[in-house]
Amino acid sequence: DVKVTQSSRYLVKRTGEKVFLECVQDMDHENMFWYRQDPGLGLRLIYFSYDVKMKEKGDIPEGYSVSREKKERFSLILESASTNQTSMYLCASFQGGPGNTEAFFGQGTRLTVV
Amino acid sequence: AQRVTQPEKLLSVFKGAPVELKCNYSYSGSPELFWYVQYSRQRLQLLLRHISRESIKGFTADLNKGETSFHLKKPFAQEEDSAMYYCALRRGNYKLTFGKGTLLTVNP
Repeated sequence: DVKVTQSSRYLVKRTGEKVFLECVQDMDHENMFWYRQDPGLGLRLIYFSYDVKMKEKGDIPEGYSVSREKKERFSLILESASTNQTSMYLCASFQGGPGNTEAFFGQGTRLTVV
Repeated sequence: AQRVTQPEKLLSVFKGAPVELKCNYSYSGSPELFWYVQYSRQRLQLLLRHISRESIKGFTADLNKGETSFHLKKPFAQEEDSAMYYCALRRGNYKLTFGKGTLLTVNP
């Protein structure tokens, strides 16, 4: 079974703090993603990475950055947390290529910025 | 621009009734479409994909390119089908775009 593991289930941070959300997958997948999930807005793509050190902006990258130094790990960074970044954050990975189109999700990190 | 539209935020049916969750998309290329499901307190997981033309847990979905739709259907809903359902479209090799989701409640 593919495992996508996010380091924290719940986080509470103060406004202005630098926040790191970590995600690790154990199936050697090329592609990794960060989404935020908000009621009524669905899942919105923040950033994705298709290889080590490669990244592309998603639909809502403002206020976020990412790091992919190793294939299995994809980190989401909130440079200066704000209250409007309070949300559920989901990490996902998939291999890509014919027959490998299923994305596997982590359990989510619920971040509260106070 | 690529877009996935799920017009219903909430859908409530009784057990045994048919259910249809609507999904429309806009995409200029050849789309790859999926339905993902999130049960209470569980992680988001794939339910089915259009290229497989499969039936999972009694659900089916047919890609209608003329109507740009990928509606999810089940003839007889069960209480355990209660969940949040997301339609998703893959564009290019990587990006997976989701709709806003439909919360399905199946009442006893």
